[in-house]
Amino acid sequence: DVKVTQSSRYLVKRTGEKVFLECVQDMDHENMFWYRQDPGLGLRLIYFSYDVKMKEKGDIPEGYSVSREKKERFSLILESASTNQTSMYLCASSLTREREQYFGPGTRLTVT
Amino acid sequence: QKEVEQNSGPLSVPEGAIASLNCTYSDRGSQSFFWYRQYSGKSPELIMFIYSNGDKEDGRFTAQLNKASQYVSLLIRDSQPSDSATYLCAVTNQAGTALIFGKGTTLSVSS
Repeated sequence: DVKVTQSSRYLVKRTGEKVFLECVQDMDHENMFWYRQDPGLGLRLIYFSYDVKMKEKGDIPEGYSVSREKKERFSLILESASTNQTSMYLCASSLTREREQYFGPGTRLTVT
Repeated sequence: QKEVEQNSGPLSVPEGAIASLNCTYSDRGSQSFFWYRQYSGKSPELIMFIYSNGDKEDGRFTAQLNKASQYVSLLIRDSQPSDSATYLCAVTNQAGTALIFGKGTTLSVSS
């Protein structure tokens, strides 16, 4: 059974803090993705990675960075959290980029 | 900008009825099509995928694809209150390098 886990379900941080969101998949998938989901805006791709140490910007990379040191782990970093980064963050993985993506449970981040 | 369009709803159907969810996409080269279900406060869950024109059935769910008209639909037969959720349509871009998600259709099944 496919399994994508995320480090936290709920997170509250203060403006200016550095925030780390971690995602782990156990399916040996090549591709991993970070999205944010906001009411009325749908899912928006922040970054994705198609291999270890490789990353590509998605549609809204500003204010975020990522790290993929191991195949199974993909981290999203908010260098200096701001209130407009309050959102639901979803990690996903897929075997290949044109195949179905499997999502983790999500992290609801609140920045105050 | 390649787009995937869905009616936001809500689509309301009585229990036992057929729910029909529709999605249109703009990238004529798209090859893979997916339907996800998302309950409130939860993450998207894959329901079905379809790659070829025609119908694909899985239990109470049927996905229909018409590449010439650039639409994909999801039929839910014998709708149950537990089917009440937001349904996301996702389509690969022509290069096959990313999924483009629609904003979703909210389905409400009343008992």
